[in-house]
Amino acid sequence: QVHLVESGGGVVQPGGSLRLSCAASGFSVTNHGMHWVRQAPGKGLEWLAVLWYDGTTKYYADSVQGRFSISRDNSENTLFLQMTSLRADDTAVYYCARERGTPGWLDPWGQGTLVTVSS
Amino acid sequence: SYVLTQPPSVSVAPGKTATITCGGANIGSKSVHWYQQKPGQAPVLVIYSDSDRPSGIPDRFSGFNSENTATLTISRVEAGDEADYYCQVWASRTDQYVFGSGTKVTVL
Repeated sequence: QVHLVESGGGVVQPGGSLRLSCAASGFSVTNHGMHWVRQAPGKGLEWLAVLWYDGTTKYYADSVQGRFSISRDNSENTLFLQMTSLRADDTAVYYCARERGTPGWLDPWGQGTLVTVSS
Repeated sequence: SYVLTQPPSVSVAPGKTATITCGGANIGSKSVHWYQQKPGQAPVLVIYSDSDRPSGIPDRFSGFNSENTATLTISRVEAGDEADYYCQVWASRTDQYVFGSGTKVTVL
């Protein structure tokens, strides 16, 4: 059964860093594009980043370009999002998701992990 | 950047049909995907590649895409369909994925 579990969220001060993890099971992250998407409280979905199946092609949203970095550990079958220079408006639930039909659709999604940027 | 425009809300009576639009420049040339998100839950794919349904999604959900508007239609609406719905495309010119602003469907 395909399953994604995010972890690593928490409270961080403005200007700080945090690394999110997304553990995948039931499939290999080396065979699929993998995404990070976030949702600020009461707001819509915002796409952040993708790492395609080749392991080298990465794309980012303008809002996080240069601050966030997506990567994966093939041996652990885990996706990461390294976040730096965090700001209050980065406060959100962060989801990882598997891609199909690259470039295509996201299915399934993890349950999300909450990141709060506050002093 | 590529923008997808959705109506903020749609209200529909049980048993009737809900139509959710997703507007974008020449969106008919792109592949559109739709997600359902209920409160406190992660999004779930309901339509991919304009009009295909994943397994487990009722055939009451259908999609269409042409020219500058993509549409998600929910027929015979049920109380359990009450949720936020988002469209999504791949914007090849900017190498970015884009979500619509979302539409809240309320079942009266």
